[in-house]
Amino acid sequence: ETGVTQSPTHLIKTRGQQVTLRCSSQSGHNTVSWYQQALGQGPQFIFQYYREEENGRGNFPPRFSGLQFPNYSSELNVNALELDDSALYLCASSFIQGHTGELFFGEGSRLTVL
Amino acid sequence: AQKVTQAQTEISVVEKEDVTLDCVYETRDTTYYLFWYKQPPSGELVFLIRRNSFDEQNEISGRYSWNFQKSTSSFNFTITASQVVDSAVYFCALGSSNTGKLIFGQGTTLQVKP
Repeated sequence: ETGVTQSPTHLIKTRGQQVTLRCSSQSGHNTVSWYQQALGQGPQFIFQYYREEENGRGNFPPRFSGLQFPNYSSELNVNALELDDSALYLCASSFIQGHTGELFFGEGSRLTVL
Repeated sequence: AQKVTQAQTEISVVEKEDVTLDCVYETRDTTYYLFWYKQPPSGELVFLIRRNSFDEQNEISGRYSWNFQKSTSSFNFTITASQVVDSAVYFCALGSSNTGKLIFGQGTTLQVKP
């Protein structure tokens, strides 16, 4: 067990709604990244937060936004949900050491958009 | 552009067989990192190994071994004497030294039959 916890584990929304996913980082980690994994695909980088600021973003529209809190936990918010947003959303925490270190992943939040 | 290709979508072997999972990557960075992750049905990505671009030594960890060849941009993963518990989706990933972003391949589903 990595110590990264995500909630909720499963949820169902309808098109146009908004969703908030939560992640609690592993103790001692100050960086959190979010990935989207569509069925049968590899995870795709959404963004990363370090010291409560966005520190890199993948090819995702602005309706994907995030927050990192002083205790290093994080939220991923998705507005105006579309059917293609149905996926497993993975949170990963790490301790930036000036290079790409090991990412510790949670079990993910599986979002279904109807 | 950075890219990771895992040409094998699915592999099925019988227990105790050896199996090699292929990974080919593309990057213009001189410093980069390569990873392998295992994803069991629970969804969590389990870290297996990280190699940096300056270390081409092959590595062995129990039944697992990795062959990194810069000349062919490949980072292949071999499981010796496979076991049913090895059944999972395996992802190869590429990271740069500047960001925490990982580029994942499409994954290879390994099924080990008893």
